[in-house]
Parts: sequence; structure tokens; C-alpha cells
Amino acid sequence: DTAVSQTPKYLVTQMGNDKSIKCEQNLGHDTMYWYKQDSKKFLKIMFSYNNKELIINETVPNRFSPKSPDKAHLNLHINSLELGDSAVYFCASSPRGQLYGYTFGSGTRLTVV
Amino acid sequence: GQQLNQSPQSMFIQEGEDVSMNCTSSSIFNTWLWYKQDPGEGPVLLIALYKAGELTSNGRLTAQFGITRKDSFLNISASIPSDVGIYFCAGLNYGGSQGNLIFGKGTKLSVKP
Repeated sequence: DTAVSQTPKYLVTQMGNDKSIKCEQNLGHDTMYWYKQDSKKFLKIMFSYNNKELIINETVPNRFSPKSPDKAHLNLHINSLELGDSAVYFCASSPRGQLYGYTFGSGTRLTVV
Repeated sequence: GQQLNQSPQSMFIQEGEDVSMNCTSSSIFNTWLWYKQDPGEGPVLLIALYKAGELTSNGRLTAQFGITRKDSFLNISASIPSDVGIYFCAGLNYGGSQGNLIFGKGTKLSVKP
């Protein structure tokens, strides 16, 4: 069973469209995250949710809106997509206390054309 | 914000050679982590370090948490072709349910058989 699963794996869309990426974890972790990896492979946190509550919201355009319907899911909705949004988006989760680091999904490669 | 300086940026080595990479920060972290990312996959945790001065091994991998809590290194002994990938250091400061895993920019390792 995949611990942190994201769908879709690849997403190609036109500028101006609205799209969503879904994430689910079956590890029983309390906290979930979205990270963005740019073309230079730099990983930067976007959001953090703990038990459905938003904890971290880094400097991310408000076109990006995370939604956590329950502890095991954290979805990312992006409005009015722009070329610069093209990147790989990773979902991750961690247990309470975060002593064991984060478990990452395999990523969603978003390409905006 | 906090930044991690990871070096070298890339390495090209012969199979069987030892590898060393390191990470430094201008600020203190409670935890240092080392991740490996294979192409098309998310980062996978290799080693976690929780105490200043701690030296931890995982097979051919050895990592140390610097005494000042501002640096860490990762060594890989007797490299093999499957060691190819991008290695990331990451620092974590946590308190209760909050925390933010900050990544270095990665070391891309290439191994020539």
C-alpha cells in the first residue's frame, strides 16, 4: 500500500485554467504538507495542515488554496494557472512531534502551457 | 528566512569511491535529516539526526549532526550505481504540532560503473 499517494502524476493544462491535485496518506499522521520543487530541484514548503487546521502558509499566491476534508487528505486547488506555476508539487505527512521526518508522495508534475 | 547551504552541487565519481557532502546553516536546527530523491519520485528519508554531535549509520551511509547544531555531513562509502540521485539535507525545528522542514539545494550524484 502506498503511504502517501498523489493524483494525478502528470498534469498538463492551459494558462488560466483551474486545477486540483489530491493527496491521501494512510499512515495515521497528524500533519500534512505541500511542497513545490522548481526546475532547479529546490524544495520549498507551501502549506502545512495539522489535523485539518492550517498551520503554515508561506508566501504563496492566493490562487493556491489547500483544502483538508479530514486528517488523511490534503488537496491543492490552483486557480487561474500561470506559466510560472509549472513545477513538481509534493505532498508529505509527518506524525505528531515530527521526530521521524516527513514521508513524501511521488509528486505531481504540473506543466502550464 | 533560514537557509541551508549544501555542497557540492554535483559530483561525478567512479563506482567504489567514497562520497562526502555537507550542509551548513546560519541558524540552529533541532533535527537534521538526509533525503535521497530518485528521478520521478519523492524524497526518501535516509538518516535522521536528533542530537548535537550524534553520528549515525545506515548501511554504507554515515551522517553526523554538528556540535554547533548548524551543520551536518553525509558520507557514502564504496559507492554503487544505484546510489545515483539527488541528496538533500534538511533542517527541522519543531514545537508541538508546528514545524517547517527546510531543504538544502541538493547534491546530484552520478556514479560511473
